[in-house]
Amino acid sequence: AQSVTQLDSQVPVFEEAPVELRCNYSSSVSVYLFWYVQYPNQGLQLLLKYLSGSTLVKGINGFEAEFNKSQTSFHLRKPSVHISDTAEYFCAVSESVSGSRLTFGEGTQLTVNP
Amino acid sequence: NAGVTQTPKFQVLKTGQSMTLQCAQDMNHEYMSWYRQDPGMGLRLIHYSVGAGITDQGEVPNGYNVSRSTTEDFPLRLLSAAPSQTSVYFCASSSIPGQGYNTEAFFGQGTRLTVV
Repeated sequence: AQSVTQLDSQVPVFEEAPVELRCNYSSSVSVYLFWYVQYPNQGLQLLLKYLSGSTLVKGINGFEAEFNKSQTSFHLRKPSVHISDTAEYFCAVSESVSGSRLTFGEGTQLTVNP
Repeated sequence: NAGVTQTPKFQVLKTGQSMTLQCAQDMNHEYMSWYRQDPGMGLRLIHYSVGAGITDQGEVPNGYNVSRSTTEDFPLRLLSAAPSQTSVYFCASSSIPGQGYNTEAFFGQGTRLTVV
């Protein structure tokens, strides 16, 4: 069985500040890691994914994440946020590289204030 | 590209009523799945399918039925709706690893269901 814990349910930040959204996971097998973003009243959009190789993964909209196997973490970062980054962010794991059966964290609401 | 299309977008049901949430994808994906999203709980897998004629249960299958007669469609049926099924439902599809260069799950826009 696998599980995902997002350590912060809400993260308020000011525009142009850096942000880190924390994600820890547990699994008895190798997993693949994903971050999704959900804007209000919309579906989920893939931000980035870690399948193998370099532990620093770059995604869309200036986001990046670092896979840390020893700490079983996959934290999401952005050096300078915009108002338009306000959304809910979900960390997820899957035993399949295609992300066909995802286990999600509880979500982190990022609110960027002017 | 239409991607993953869910209908309806909104639905209100009375307790005990039945209905079917529709999901269709035009990407020829083998995998399809249904999730429900509840506040503070993220998304949880209800049922999934690895191809036409093959379905299996996810984390929270009780009260829901699925079938997969074609590659494109994966409907979710509520046989007797309960207030606990009030939620936002998402359908997703993805390709088999190694058979497509785009390995990610694509999500529909969601169906917001209220059971009164």
